[in-house]
Amino acid sequence: EIVLTQSPGTLSLSPGERATLSCRASQSVSSSYLAWYQQKPGQTPRLLIYGVSNRATGIPDRFSGSGSGTDFTLTISRLEPEDFAMYYCQQYDNSRAFGQGTKVEI
Amino acid sequence: QVQLQQSGPGLVKPSQTLSLTCAISGDSVSSNGAAWNWIRQSPSRGLEWLGRTYYRSRWYNDYAVSVKSRITIKPDTSKNQFSLQLNSVTPEDTALYYCAREPNYYAAFDIWGQGTMVTVSS
Repeated sequence: EIVLTQSPGTLSLSPGERATLSCRASQSVSSSYLAWYQQKPGQTPRLLIYGVSNRATGIPDRFSGSGSGTDFTLTISRLEPEDFAMYYCQQYDNSRAFGQGTKVEI
Repeated sequence: QVQLQQSGPGLVKPSQTLSLTCAISGDSVSSNGAAWNWIRQSPSRGLEWLGRTYYRSRWYNDYAVSVKSRITIKPDTSKNQFSLQLNSVTPEDTALYYCAREPNYYAAFDIWGQGTMVTVSS
């Protein structure tokens, strides 16, 4: 099973700054089967990015995904107040598994 | 608008069976274009995918290795819903359980149920 490791555990930033979140896989994720989710306290996860770099319906273009093989990145170009939340990567190449999450805090 | 509505008990005794149901509106459990999943979340294990059921001319199931010996996910086409059964539960199965849709065009989880907190305790 592919294990995903996210870093950093916590990212402390201010509104307007750029956020760069990392997701590293224990083995290559083929066919670009990598997604990103946002979760706020008391809410269900929300799909942001699928297929490494494709934004889901309704997701603002300040969110972008990139990467290949074992290294993937979620970038939030300019943080809005509503972007402070937990972020998870997920692979769906070999079974399905989530990373442990990165908290983006003010 | 697709919605998933979960139901089931919030308290289960150790060694018994955890049973949850996810009712689908706005889509079909028999759709060739989606799979129907169960996922759980706990502080100790984070987000953990449990398994899925889907129809592609016949029914298929995939299960996580960690629960494969104890889990059953079944569709109910008459009620347009699917269910989770997890046998022989222990306190480690205490978690917030979600159902989720996985459409082919995303191959990721785009619609989630509201979540059911299940506690395993005597």
